[in-house]
Amino acid sequence: GAVVSQHPSWVICKSGTSVKIECRSLDFQATTMFWYRQFPKQSLMLMATSNEGSKATYEQGVEKDKFLINHASLTLSTLTVTSAHPEDSSFYICSARGVSGISTDTQYFGPGTRLTVL
Amino acid sequence: AQSVTQPDIHITVSEGASLELRCNYSYGATPYLFWYVQSPGQGLQLLLKYFSGDTLVQGIKGFEAEFKRSQSSFNLRKPSVHWSDAAEYFCAVGARDSSYKLIFGSGTRLLVRP
Repeated sequence: GAVVSQHPSWVICKSGTSVKIECRSLDFQATTMFWYRQFPKQSLMLMATSNEGSKATYEQGVEKDKFLINHASLTLSTLTVTSAHPEDSSFYICSARGVSGISTDTQYFGPGTRLTVL
Repeated sequence: AQSVTQPDIHITVSEGASLELRCNYSYGATPYLFWYVQSPGQGLQLLLKYFSGDTLVQGIKGFEAEFKRSQSSFNLRKPSVHWSDAAEYFCAVGARDSSYKLIFGSGTRLLVRP
């Protein structure tokens, strides 16, 4: 139980284009989803918290117009990197916190999406 | 300020040897405590967690961790390491508020010698 998927697992795009990453909770409903960014050999940096049906809360220093987050349902959140540039290349990981049936105090993580911007 | 410290960047142990990964935290109250493991290019898998109660917590894959309030520590242990345990290990503290945010340590990379 408590499986989170991400799609795509890796993506390569040209500078200036936008990329959408999906995060799905497969066997539970997620009240809250979190988006993280991880640079090589570094820890996870929280980018934003999204709650179903409301606007995402971004961490300090994260450009909300650059990283658009939508949490349209209890099982799906999307992160769109707009006008991507090479410095946006990174490993993006989402996590989800359940509504009920599983621990609501635990984040379950997806497998991550490797974004490379050329 | 809330923080998590994992003082060891790398640890190398021989297969079959015991393992202890250190984690110290700074938090205003007793936080939720977690250990996650990340294999290369993968997401994070929950090993174990502590919310309250028994301070010795058992997790998956034979791991355990002990919460020591007096030392603000939550060290991860395994009595006998397997080659498949080679990975990055992250300690995290979780806020006991409505945000449910996690603060991660910098991670410890475990290498296992054959």
